[in-house]
Amino acid sequence: GAVVSQHPSWVICKSGTSVKIECRSLDFQATTMFWYRQFPKQSLMLMATSNEGSKATYEQGVEKDKFLINHASLTLSTLTVTSAHPEDSSFYICSVPVSGSYNEQFFGPGTRLTVL
Amino acid sequence: GEDVEQSLFLSVREGDSSVINCTYTDSSSTYLYWYKQEPGAGLQLLTYIFSNMDMKQDQRLTVLLNKKDKHLSLRIADTQTGDSAIYFCAERKDQAGTALIFGKGTTLSVSS
Repeated sequence: GAVVSQHPSWVICKSGTSVKIECRSLDFQATTMFWYRQFPKQSLMLMATSNEGSKATYEQGVEKDKFLINHASLTLSTLTVTSAHPEDSSFYICSVPVSGSYNEQFFGPGTRLTVL
Repeated sequence: GEDVEQSLFLSVREGDSSVINCTYTDSSSTYLYWYKQEPGAGLQLLTYIFSNMDMKQDQRLTVLLNKKDKHLSLRIADTQTGDSAIYFCAERKDQAGTALIFGKGTTLSVSS
């Protein structure tokens, strides 16, 4: 299957700083990538859909000015958490949908963000 | 409601069968999935079932789908310690290439 990487895997930052998380599709070109957020013992909640060459589509309740998404190329999407606060601490996971008979999505390993 | 519901925790002994249950939200969902999440690893697709199927078997895994009750289950036969993980059911509501809606996950603990 497709391989999706994320970097960094774990980051700790001070409150008020910005953090960039990268999602790379290593062997598949992706015009679309998804960004999810997962709280402990919670389900993955879709934050936004990253679209190559156009603006990201954000889910209701997700602040687009706080969570900046840039789909720079067919293999790279970045999520920047701006002016991070402790409540932004979470596990962020990206996925790449792959068209097929059952339209599977391949998930990155996730990035653990801790804001102090 | 909009939530995909799962029981949060299941504990079984090695060699027993595990059954993880899920209730999804939309009877029009076309594909339903089971994912496995291990610490430090991405979600791994275990199996899926198309909405016009009632059952799917894949080696130790059996998926049962009850569309009337919007109930999905995953049975793992001969559960091993390596099966310990969080299991998520997910549904795809819209057209191809759209995001999935996940349950909160069931933590499976297998004791030897």
